[in-house]
Amino acid sequence: EIVFTQSPGTLSLSPGERATLSCRASQSVSSASLAWYQQKPGQAPRLLIYGAYTRATGIPDRFSGSGSGTDFTLTISRLEPEDFAVYYCQQYGSSPYNFGQGTKLEIK
Amino acid sequence: EVQLVESGGGLVQPGGSLRLSCAASGFTFSDYEMNWVRQAPGRGLEWVSYISSSAVATDYVDSVKGRFTISRDNAENSLYLQMNSLRAEDTAVYYCARRFDYWGQGILVTVSS
Repeated sequence: EIVFTQSPGTLSLSPGERATLSCRASQSVSSASLAWYQQKPGQAPRLLIYGAYTRATGIPDRFSGSGSGTDFTLTISRLEPEDFAVYYCQQYGSSPYNFGQGTKLEIK
Repeated sequence: EVQLVESGGGLVQPGGSLRLSCAASGFTFSDYEMNWVRQAPGRGLEWVSYISSSAVATDYVDSVKGRFTISRDNAENSLYLQMNSLRAEDTAVYYCARRFDYWGQGILVTVSS
């Protein structure tokens, strides 16, 4: 079973700043099977990135994914007010399709 | 437009049963694998169950094996989750998801006496 550790737990930044969120896996993950989600309070998760690097439909290009093996990163180049939310990584290549515990991105 | 709408949630006593449904529209349902994912109050996301497009293959997180059953009706564009022997720790918002790219709005299941 692949276990994820996301860091930091909470990230406090201001609009316009760059955000870097980390996701570390307990064993190697296929890049083809790594996803990032955004979740706002009271809403369902929204797929941002799949295949570690590919933006989902309608996702702005300020969101980018990178990494391989056990270390993956979600970068938001310039934060907009609507980007403050909780972000989860997940692998969907082998069961169980575990999620990380999440990083809360809050306004500083 | 892809739409997934869950129903069937509510309050149930420990040991009880509940059947969740997910009505799909806006895509060819029979072409897609489906999943259930849950989120306990104030907690993170937990994958619960998977079913292949033809229902040949299913899978479950260990904590629900033997208690939950996933199924689908491709003629009715519907996904189901039969939940038996419910426990307090099953209390969560349950989401259906097309693979993991589109998600429903979620339905709350509360297990409490």
